[in-house]
Amino acid sequence: QVLLVESGGGLVKPGGSLRLSCAVSGFNFRDYYVSWIRQAPGKGLEWISYMTITGSTIYYADSVKGRFTISWDSAKDSVSLQMNSLRADDTAVYYCARQDKPNPPDYWGQGTLVTVSS
Amino acid sequence: QSALTQPPSASGSPGQSVTISCTGTSSDVGGYSFVSWYQQHPGKAPKLIIYEVDKRPSGVPDRFSGSRSRATASLTVSGLQAEDEADYYCSSYAGSNNFVFGTGTKVTVL
Repeated sequence: QVLLVESGGGLVKPGGSLRLSCAVSGFNFRDYYVSWIRQAPGKGLEWISYMTITGSTIYYADSVKGRFTISWDSAKDSVSLQMNSLRADDTAVYYCARQDKPNPPDYWGQGTLVTVSS
Repeated sequence: QSALTQPPSASGSPGQSVTISCTGTSSDVGGYSFVSWYQQHPGKAPKLIIYEVDKRPSGVPDRFSGSRSRATASLTVSGLQAEDEADYYCSSYAGSNNFVFGTGTKVTVL
C-alpha cells in the first residue's frame, strides 16, 4: 500500500522557518520522484519542489527558489522541505506526492497546514 | 510556466454529463501525452482520476473519461452523481522537468 504522510506544519511568524517531512512507504522510492505541492486557502494547486531520491534531479518553483530546500533523509525514508524566510503568501496546505515522471503525481499525502502570520 | 486554463465552474443535474476543458499550449498539453486529472473534495487531498490523457487508474468509475484535441484536454463525467460534486484540476508535463496545474473547476450537481 502506497503511503505518504506529511508532518511538521504549524503557525510561524513572517521571516521564520519550518521543516516539513514526508514519510514514504509501500513503494520503491528509488523509482519515483517525490514532490511538494501546495494549495493556498481557496486557491489552486502549485508545484513548489520535487526530487529524485538520489538527488540527481531537484526542482524548485521560482516562488520558493533560494528559500526552500528539499532533501532526502535515508534514515527515516522521508523527504524533507526546509522552509526559510517564510512570508504570508506561503500560507497553504502542503502536500507531498509520488510522481512517476513524466507523469504528474499519482498518490498524495493528506496534507499539512502551514500558516505564516504575526 | 503559466497555469492551464479551466472554466471556474460547471454544473449538471444527476444523470447528466458535464465536460470540463483544460487549455494549454504546444509546450504542455499539446506537446505531451502526460495529462492528468484530479478530483478534490473539500478538505481532502486531490485524487487521481485520469492519467496519460485518457487512462483511468484502477477503481475509478468508467463514468470519468478523458480526451485531448491539440492543446485542449477535456474531462467528461457521465451519469453525474451527487458525490461527483468537487473541484477538478488538470495537470500536464511541460518539458524540461516542468509540470503545470490547471486553474481548477468547481463542479456542482444541481
